[in-house]
Amino acid sequence: DGGITQSPKYLFRKEGQNVTLSCEQNLNHDAMYWYRQDPGQGLRLIYYSQIVNDFQKGDIAEGYSVSREKKESFPLTVTSAQKNPTAFYLCASRRGPVAGEDTQYFGPGTRLTVL
Amino acid sequence: EDQVTQSPEALRLQEGESSSLNCSYTVSGLRGLFWYRQDPGKGPEFLFTLYSAGEEKEKERLKATLTKKESFLHITAPKPEDSATYLCAVPDSNSGYALNFGKGTSLLVTP
Repeated sequence: DGGITQSPKYLFRKEGQNVTLSCEQNLNHDAMYWYRQDPGQGLRLIYYSQIVNDFQKGDIAEGYSVSREKKESFPLTVTSAQKNPTAFYLCASRRGPVAGEDTQYFGPGTRLTVL
Repeated sequence: EDQVTQSPEALRLQEGESSSLNCSYTVSGLRGLFWYRQDPGKGPEFLFTLYSAGEEKEKERLKATLTKKESFLHITAPKPEDSATYLCAVPDSNSGYALNFGKGTSLLVTP
């Protein structure tokens, strides 16, 4: 069954703690993305990666870090430098810049709460 | 700067009462307009992609249309299970085709 998985579904972070959110896809997609969703706001881009071992900052990258060592995996670390991390985090993937194959597919999300 | 605006923010319909959701956009060089459905606590579910003005796509009670400045999501004879937040988005070629999303329309269909 192809798709995108995110874990954990719920995550609690203490002040000053780094936490890592997992995102895995078995769709053989080249591009992967991390978005943050807050109530009343649209999804905002944190980081994206178009190929393995390469990634770029999005609009709200401060306090976050990523890696892309494998095509299937794009983990997001929320560092202690992120002052307001409580949000719903969504990972997405896309096959690549081929006409008719631009659709992004989303994982089920991780809800992060700061204690 | 690319912008996507959705209206209304919230919409309440009686079961069977048809209506439309609006998505207006300003973008240079449109590479598709995407509609998603999002249920509470879940990731967005892909519905449609529209690429050119005049294009229409349908799925069950939903029909999406596109003009040069806006897109409509028409809901015909909705059912309570159509209740969700509907999101539209356009890709940003400057960010690896990441999606610029509107804030969504929260639809509630009552029996």
